[in-house]
Amino acid sequence: SQKIEQNSEALNIQEGKTATLTCNYTNYSPAYLQWYRQDPGRGPVFLLLIRENEKEKRKERLKVTFDTTLKQSLFHITASQPADSATYLCALDMHSGYALNFGKGTSLLVTP
Amino acid sequence: DAEITQSPRHKITETGRQVTLACHQTWNHNNMFWYRQDLGHGLRLIHYSYGVQDTNKGEVSDGYSVSRSNTEDLPLTLESAASSQTSVYFCASSESSGRYNEQFFGPGTRLTVL
Repeated sequence: SQKIEQNSEALNIQEGKTATLTCNYTNYSPAYLQWYRQDPGRGPVFLLLIRENEKEKRKERLKVTFDTTLKQSLFHITASQPADSATYLCALDMHSGYALNFGKGTSLLVTP
Repeated sequence: DAEITQSPRHKITETGRQVTLACHQTWNHNNMFWYRQDLGHGLRLIHYSYGVQDTNKGEVSDGYSVSRSNTEDLPLTLESAASSQTSVYFCASSESSGRYNEQFFGPGTRLTVL
């Protein structure tokens, strides 16, 4: 069955460092992958989308890579700030139109 | 500004009762989705709709139903609430004009079934 894995352990990093989060998938050939941010008590908020034919996408301090051979996406936050502390979710298309299959998310804590 | 709202934000009910969670969006999006989020499981798709009168089952649809009578609303009904349905429920919507559209999420409804 299709499976999406994100690091279940929280990632703690120091302010100013680069945070790297991983999303691995199996039994899947997604056409695209999306990353969302979720703060406690709130709904997820879209950050970035990367298509299967794209290797890398950037938006301000965010960078996403997509390796369809390794079946992996990496999400980077450069010059991280305490305000970046949140849970980050990756999501893949389900080949049934617009529905998404979400990973369980990785919690990021950036300390001053 | 366009938005997506959910009501109620918190609900406590008893086992066996019918419960309806409301979702309303003013984005004029054709696509709407219901998810539940539980510790250890992440977001799981319950039902989704790609337009008026269209509904589809997701990964965890048993015990839930939806109906789409207009573009703005997709209410989620728990026919006979069970303790296993205690969860946080999120509604989302997206455009249908392209293939890769982002989803906009509501603030969530925390449901407790006693």
